[in-house]
Amino acid sequence: KAGVTQTPRYLIKTRGQQVTLSCSPISGHRSVSWYQQTPGQGLQFLFEYFSETQRNKGNFPGRFSGRQFSNSRSEMNVSTLELGDSALYLCASSIGRSEAFFGQGTRLTVV
Amino acid sequence: QQQVKQSPQSLIVQKGGISIINCAYENTAFDYFPWYQQFPGKGPALLIAIRPDVSEKKEGRFTISFNKSAKQFSLHIMDSQPGDSATYFCAASKGGGGADGLTFGKGTHLIIQP
Repeated sequence: KAGVTQTPRYLIKTRGQQVTLSCSPISGHRSVSWYQQTPGQGLQFLFEYFSETQRNKGNFPGRFSGRQFSNSRSEMNVSTLELGDSALYLCASSIGRSEAFFGQGTRLTVV
Repeated sequence: QQQVKQSPQSLIVQKGGISIINCAYENTAFDYFPWYQQFPGKGPALLIAIRPDVSEKKEGRFTISFNKSAKQFSLHIMDSQPGDSATYFCAASKGGGGADGLTFGKGTHLIIQP
């Protein structure tokens, strides 16, 4: 059974650009959550999608957005990138309130 | 406002010893308390989780102790092994499970010396 797949694994972008990250959940998992991990702030919740609807949102500016498709795959977008957006972005999937499985993350570097 | 406080930040334990990591939370609405293990270059992996209706849960060498009145919970790793060397995160959420809306502690970097 394939795990949570995130693409790309590494990304370098310039300030002011936008970026789209992709997450394919484990087959059958309809809940997808996104987290930002930085050395200073640790792991912080961005948002959660279930059946193509955003059900929960963390405390991030509107530059951070996401969506989920009918096959449960999810994308997150960050517009007008800032240096502080450099982080490891993690996606996690689960079936309802069961164990959550994280992907390996996308390492975003903003220069 | 840090809703989940984790200590210590780093910990060195001898092989075979007991590793203990502590967390304290503020929000009494939290009803799900998982512990995650993360190795370099990998995403966090769920180790063990507890809900507030029990005071202790054990899975193999890993035990969670939960004190609802003190709003504290801890992870005990018995017979610690070098392969346990990783970063450990406690977390809490109101969702009853899953990965939705988890509030994480800052992490503990655990080193098990052979």
